[in-house]
Amino acid sequence: GNSVTQMEGPVTLSEEAFLTINCTYTATGYPSLFWYVQYPGEGLQLLLKATKADDKGSNKGFEATYRKETTSFHLEKGSVQVSDSAVYFCALSENNDYKLSFGAGTTVTVRA
Amino acid sequence: NAGVTQTPKFQVLKTGQSMTLQCAQDMNHEYMSWYRQDPGMGLRLIHYSVGAGITDQGEVPNGYNVSRSTTEDFPLRLLSAAPSQTSVYFCASSRPGTGDQYFGPGTRLLVL
Repeated sequence: GNSVTQMEGPVTLSEEAFLTINCTYTATGYPSLFWYVQYPGEGLQLLLKATKADDKGSNKGFEATYRKETTSFHLEKGSVQVSDSAVYFCALSENNDYKLSFGAGTTVTVRA
Repeated sequence: NAGVTQTPKFQVLKTGQSMTLQCAQDMNHEYMSWYRQDPGMGLRLIHYSVGAGITDQGEVPNGYNVSRSTTEDFPLRLLSAAPSQTSVYFCASSRPGTGDQYFGPGTRLLVL
């Protein structure tokens, strides 16, 4: 079956620091990969996605590259802000299916 | 557009009580899903629907019922609440073939 493994948190950073959140996956086929973000007290929002190998998704300064050879989709941001404090979820779906498999989530806190 | 709306925002139940969590979307999305979010476990799929009149079970369906009489609405029913159902519940909708899901703000449920 499909599964997603994320680095455990929580992660605490200072403003302008570099952020990396590791994500690896197991899938039977060729999944689409997603990063969702959940700000305090809110629902999840799609942050970025990639649908095939070597694709790079990007949004709001965040980037992630679909690496088929290492089955990974690590999230990176070069300079974080306090407003980036949130829970980040890596997820996958087979064939752009409606069923998402989520990682456990990584809580990120950015301090001024 | 309101997007995906959920009611109530917060609910306390006693063991054995029943209730319905409401979910509605105004984006004319065919697919709708219910997830529960528990600490350290990410989101897990409870039930989903690919269109009006069509529903199916997800990863953790026991203790929950759903129906889909219209494209817009997808209520989740707890038949006899148990403390293990204490969780945050999210409804989501999406279009076929995109994999992108739009989430509601969530319902926090406490079962005593």
